[in-house]
Amino acid sequence: DAGVIQSPRHEVTEMGQEVTLRCKPISGHNSLFWYRQTMMRGLELLIYFNNNVPIDDSGMPEDRFSAKMPNASFSTLKIQPSEPRDSAVYFCASLGAGGTYEQYFGPGTRLTVT
Amino acid sequence: GESVGLHLPTLSVQEGDNSIINCAYSNSASDYFIWYKQESGKGPQFIIDIRSNMDKRQGQRVTVLLNKTVKHLSLQIAATQPGDSAVYFCAENVYGNKLVFGAGTILRVKS
Repeated sequence: DAGVIQSPRHEVTEMGQEVTLRCKPISGHNSLFWYRQTMMRGLELLIYFNNNVPIDDSGMPEDRFSAKMPNASFSTLKIQPSEPRDSAVYFCASLGAGGTYEQYFGPGTRLTVT
Repeated sequence: GESVGLHLPTLSVQEGDNSIINCAYSNSASDYFIWYKQESGKGPQFIIDIRSNMDKRQGQRVTVLLNKTVKHLSLQIAATQPGDSAVYFCAENVYGNKLVFGAGTILRVKS
């Protein structure tokens, strides 16, 4: 298995621009998680989906952030408009239904907003 | 409250020595705990897990100890190697499939 796939790996954009991060979970996994990692706040859960349905979005910072999961093999995290304080590494993780809570993380997308 | 903070402690050990990384968790209702390893430029990687009905679990070169009385979790790495250098995170399952991560500990292995 290729593991969780994220794209792009690096994104540099100017303040005010729209940013879209993409994730392909491990095939057969039915839960998907979006995290943000910064030095100041550590690893924070933004939102997670079960069977393509958003379950908990309490970590989404504000209305500028939105996430979708149109099918079991694809999810997007969109920031519009982006701000410099959104600069972080964004991770996607997926989880199977095997009875454990072991989430498998992707390599992350490093976002820099100038 | 959640055991997420801004401080990132550092543990420096000599190659071949044993390492012990500690973690305090805050939710007494948590029933599952995981240790993750994160190398520079990569996503967190699963190391070992333990359920709340256990006190100890062993893997290859790693052991996790759980003390529910004081809400403390530790990761022991035997014969630490340079490849073990990374940031280590503990995480607790609070409810559903949600994990709450600690701030992390930097492990530096000196050759």
